[in-house]
Amino acid sequence: DGGITQSPKYLFRKEGQNVTLSCEQNLNHDAMYWYRQDPGQGLRLIYYSQIVNDFQKGDIAEGYSVSREKKESFPLTVTSAQKNPTAFYLCASSATSGTGQPQHFGDGTRLSIL
Amino acid sequence: QKEVEQNSGPLSVPEGAIASLNCTYSDRGSQSFFWYRQYSGKSPELIMFIYSNGDKEDGRFTAQLNKASQYVSLLIRDSQPSDSATYLCAVKNSGGSNYKLTFGKGTLLTVNP
Repeated sequence: DGGITQSPKYLFRKEGQNVTLSCEQNLNHDAMYWYRQDPGQGLRLIYYSQIVNDFQKGDIAEGYSVSREKKESFPLTVTSAQKNPTAFYLCASSATSGTGQPQHFGDGTRLSIL
Repeated sequence: QKEVEQNSGPLSVPEGAIASLNCTYSDRGSQSFFWYRQYSGKSPELIMFIYSNGDKEDGRFTAQLNKASQYVSLLIRDSQPSDSATYLCAVKNSGGSNYKLTFGKGTLLTVNP
């Protein structure tokens, strides 16, 4: 089945540690996105990529890094510089041609601080 | 700063009633508009998208768009308890070649049996 797979579902980070969240899609979408969701805050864009080997900062990129070496994969690293990482992280993808171009989401990763 | 505004709710309706969810946006050049449903603890799922003025119907759901008023709404007819969720409005930004969406904070809908 086509879709977006995020792993792990739950992740715990120790102070000073970098952690990487995985996102893989088999929808053949060119564009991929990372969002952070906090209670009452809606979805905030961290990074996005419209093509392999290229990505742009979103609204809250500080303390995060990404790579896009393959079309199917867009991992997000939460670095130790992100002082408040506890949130629900959502990966999405979309086509870049045609009308609408809705984004489709994975099931998310919940990150907490130990 | 491009903004999307929604009433946070909660919006409470009885089973079988029509639920009306509203959204306004600040970017006058926006072209595509999306409604997502998010159950508690789950990820958003796409319900509908609309890009032409007027109404678009899909089953019990109707999206309405008025670009002159910068207003988009979602009507849910014959509301069911399973419709209880947070509804997110999202708007595709105008300009450039990016495909970013700006999301509202969502409206919590509760359908009472």
